[in-house]
Amino acid sequence: KQEVTQIPAALSVPEGENLVLNCSFTDSAIYNLQWFRQDPGKGLTSLLLIQSSQREQTSGRLNASLDKSSGRSTLYIAASQPGDSATYLCARGGGADGLTFGKGTHLIIQP
Amino acid sequence: KAGVTQTPRYLIKTRGQQVTLSCSPISGHRSVSWYQQTPGQGLQFLFEYFSETQRNKGNFPGRFSGRQFSNSRSEMNVSTLELGDSALYLCASSLANPGVGGELFFGEGSRLTVL
Repeated sequence: KQEVTQIPAALSVPEGENLVLNCSFTDSAIYNLQWFRQDPGKGLTSLLLIQSSQREQTSGRLNASLDKSSGRSTLYIAASQPGDSATYLCARGGGADGLTFGKGTHLIIQP
Repeated sequence: KAGVTQTPRYLIKTRGQQVTLSCSPISGHRSVSWYQQTPGQGLQFLFEYFSETQRNKGNFPGRFSGRQFSNSRSEMNVSTLELGDSALYLCASSLANPGVGGELFFGEGSRLTVL
């Protein structure tokens, strides 16, 4: 059974800091790795998609990397802002089982 | 371009009833998948549809079913509701065919409460 683990489960940092969220998965035969954010009571917003053939993707202040050999992905957020406060979820795409999600990292950016 | 639309957004049912949830994908997307989100289990894959055919199915009992129409809109049904079915049900659409690994775009979800 594929598993996805996210560390830390919760994180609180002052505004302006750079931070890293971690995601690990047990099966390296992945199709892709997708990062989402979820605001309370809302659906998921896609942030970045890394295909299995890629090493990283960037969008604005966000950068996500993928290392299939070690089964790890990281989401780097530069110059954090209060509006970045949300739960961040990583999901492994493996084909027949849909996306396998981690439990998420609950992020609070203190003004 | 409109995103993924789910209806209803909120609903309350009692045990033993059934419920039908609807999902309209992003225009041009033919793949629709459903996920259940609960505080204890997190997000779990229910099923995926493409071209009106169920392509993949998660580990849920037969009370959970779905279908997809020719316009790619999808519905999921839960029969004989149990308290444990209370959850946020999320629909996602993708431009890619199943198994290709395309980007998924999610709707706001339907929050089901079973009393």
